[in-house]
Parts: sequence; C-alpha cells; structure tokens
Amino acid sequence: GAVVSQHPSWVICKSGTSVKIECRSLDFQATTMFWYRQFPKQSLMLMATSNEGSKATYEQGVEKDKFLINHASLTLSTLTVTSAHPEDSSFYICSASSETQYFGPGTRLLVL
Amino acid sequence: QKEVEQDPGPLSVPEGAIVSLNCTYSNSAFQYFMWYRQYSRKGPELLMYTYSSGNKEDGRFTAQVDKSSKYISLFIRDSQPSDSATYLCAMGLRAAGNKLTFGGGTRVLVKP
Repeated sequence: GAVVSQHPSWVICKSGTSVKIECRSLDFQATTMFWYRQFPKQSLMLMATSNEGSKATYEQGVEKDKFLINHASLTLSTLTVTSAHPEDSSFYICSASSETQYFGPGTRLLVL
Repeated sequence: QKEVEQDPGPLSVPEGAIVSLNCTYSNSAFQYFMWYRQYSRKGPELLMYTYSSGNKEDGRFTAQVDKSSKYISLFIRDSQPSDSATYLCAMGLRAAGNKLTFGGGTRVLVKP
C-alpha cells in the first residue's frame, strides 16, 4: 500500500514553455500533498504544501506565480512550472501524507 | 545550526557489516521520526517510522529514538550491496500538517 505515482518521469522542454507534473496517491486518500525540489547530491527542499480544495502554502523564497499548484482531489495534485528557464532544471518530487509521507518516484526536468 | 544534523558520509562498509546511521536534532517538540532510503535519481522510500522513544525493528532494520538526547539512529544488519544508497532521517510535528524536517542525508556504500 501507500503508492504514489508521478507523471511524467522526465521531461525536456524549451525555455519559456510551461510544464505540468502530476502526483497521484494510488491506494489512499491524501488531504495533504507536498512538493519538493532536489539538486544533485543535496537533500530535499520543500517548495509548498498542498491541501485538497484550498490554496497551496509556499515556502519562503518559492515564487507562487511561477510554480502553480493545484490539489483538485484527494488523490491528485499538480505542479505547473510556468515559463520555465534553465535554472528551473531540477528533480521534482511529490509526497502524499497518510500518517506519514510517501514519496513519488520524482520527475526530472531539463529546460534547454 | 540546522534543526536536524546528519553526517553526509560517505560511509563505506564491507558486505555483511552493520551500518550505523544517526541524526541529532534541536527541536524537542518533534513527535515522530522517519528514515527514508533514496537511490540515485529516485524518490525517497520510507523504511521506518516511529512516534516513541526506544527501538523498533523491521527485518534487517532497527530504528532507535532517544528523545531525551534528541538523537535517532538506524541500524542495518547484514548489509548488502543493494543497501548502497543515501539515507535520510526526517522528523515532524503532528500539528504541522505532517510537514517534515529532513537531515541532509548520509551516503552509504556497501562493498561486495
């Protein structure tokens, strides 16, 4: 149990385009989902906390207009990187909370 | 000072040895404690979680929490090359929407 999926697993896009990443809890309902970013050989950096049906709470320094989060149901949250630039290239990981956090497999984004 | 301190390693051990990992923390309000394993380019996988001081065992893994010393440990018995990964400790407050504070991760290499 406690499986979280992410789609796509990797994406390459041109600078200026927007990219949407989906996070799904497959076998449980998650009122809270989290979005993280991870650079090589570094730990996870929390970007935002997403609660179903309400606005996401962003961590300090994370641009909410650039990283749009939608949590429309108890099993789905999406992160949209708007007008992506090369510095947005990173590994994005979501987690879904059910007593504790279960992580998705991550999405590798490369912006050219 | 970081809220959660974890030696980055790398920690290199021969196959079959016991791997000993630990984290110290400064916030005495933390109520629950987790260990995650992360392989390169993958999302973290939950190994153990506990709410109380003492030991918790699951197969080859033993998690230890000492709230009085603000110190947690993870022991891996009979280590295998497949245990080579980065191990992240994490802890949180129940009241904080299950938001977690992570250690920086320890790289472990089990040599055959």
